Amino acid sequence: SQQGEEDPQALSIQEGENATMNCSYKTSINNLQWYRQNSGRGLVHLILIRSNEREKHSGRLRVTLDTSKKSSSLLITASRAADTASYFCATDKIGTDSWGKLQFGAGTQVVVTP
Amino acid sequence: SQTIHQWPATLVQPVGSPLSLECTVEGTSNPNLYWYRQAAGRGLQLLFYSVGIGQISSEVPQNLSASRPQDRQFILSSKKLLLSDSGFYLCAWSSGEGYTFGSGTRLTVV
Repeated sequence: SQQGEEDPQALSIQEGENATMNCSYKTSINNLQWYRQNSGRGLVHLILIRSNEREKHSGRLRVTLDTSKKSSSLLITASRAADTASYFCATDKIGTDSWGKLQFGAGTQVVVTP
Repeated sequence: SQTIHQWPATLVQPVGSPLSLECTVEGTSNPNLYWYRQAAGRGLQLLFYSVGIGQISSEVPQNLSASRPQDRQFILSSKKLLLSDSGFYLCAWSSGEGYTFGSGTRLTVV
């Protein structure tokens, strides 16, 4: 089963609104990462938050991590049409054989309408 | 700067034909390399990873194989493709601060 699961599966908002998506995971992690994928393209790394961090910002992105609840959220503020994409969380599990392998969720599809 | 090249971008192959997808990395040495597959509308499934030349680990049993003949080259292969091998294949390398993905290959097996 997937380590990370995003919620909601799809999100439709208007430009200027904020978009929030959540990710839950099952096992202890070294870090959690968020990626963005435009249709038919490769994934682009957005932000990495380590297990000892609670919040991180990058431009209009804000990521929180609650290790006690095994959950993370990604907030995109003042959304733009160009933010339309699928967003994935990925976890780097703790383990001697993890080798930096990431496990991805199924993603949240975000549509921002002008 | 580090870059990752993956080709071809799209590929249509008949069932039973062989496959070879190539990925090369520039600007770094001894990278951890990964092959992922993404089914339509789904997340990514890790297929293979490599921590060095000739070192390949498989995550799931399948009709595919991987090889790393050079430090910055990672190849995904199959001797005989199945319909179920269709999907979007992504190569990635890890810097420890996140993955850098290639642009992907969309494989359609017909």
